Amino acid sequence: AQSVAQPEDQVNVAEGNPLTVKCTYSVSGNPYLFWYVQYPNRGLQFLLKYITGDNLVKGSYGFEAEFNKSQTSFHLKKPSALVSDSALYFCAVRANTGGFKTIFGAGTRLFVKA
Amino acid sequence: DVKVTQSSRYLVKRTGEKVFLECVQDMDHENMFWYRQDPGLGLRLIYFSYDVKMKEKGDIPEGYSVSREKKERFSLILESASTNQTSMYLCASSLGTRETPPLHFGNGTRLTVT
Repeated sequence: AQSVAQPEDQVNVAEGNPLTVKCTYSVSGNPYLFWYVQYPNRGLQFLLKYITGDNLVKGSYGFEAEFNKSQTSFHLKKPSALVSDSALYFCAVRANTGGFKTIFGAGTRLFVKA
Repeated sequence: DVKVTQSSRYLVKRTGEKVFLECVQDMDHENMFWYRQDPGLGLRLIYFSYDVKMKEKGDIPEGYSVSREKKERFSLILESASTNQTSMYLCASSLGTRETPPLHFGNGTRLTVT
């Protein structure tokens, strides 16, 4: 069975500092991995995806994520946080063996303080 | 820009009522999804549709049904609303194969069942 864990309910970081939002996954076969962001009172937005290839994936708004197969992790990173990055972040996974179910993590709330 | 529009931002219904949540996308996407979002549980898939009149059950279909008579419109139906269906409901769409994950989300409908 597929599963996603976001071990931190909340991450606090000062503006200008690097940020990391953690995600680990469990899936049979090779994973497809995704990050989404939900700004207050808005729907989810797709940030980035890993399908295959380079382990470092770049996405929207300066975010990137690093796929680590041995640690089954896909952490979201940004070199310099902005107050406007404060939002709810979801990691998601799907097995590459077919099927339509993308499994979402519980979400991590990021607070960036000025 | 792709637009996914959910007809209501907030709804309040009584227990036992039949409830319709409407979702329309304007980009001719094959795939449409209904999720519910609950704190600490992330997003859980209720139903998925990959074409007109085609549907597949997600992880929590009990108490729900869907209708897709036209490609742009995907309706979620609560046959007899119950208080445990109080939640945020998100509609999403994507272009591509049946395996393409949700990429474009509506702003959500917050449903309260009293």
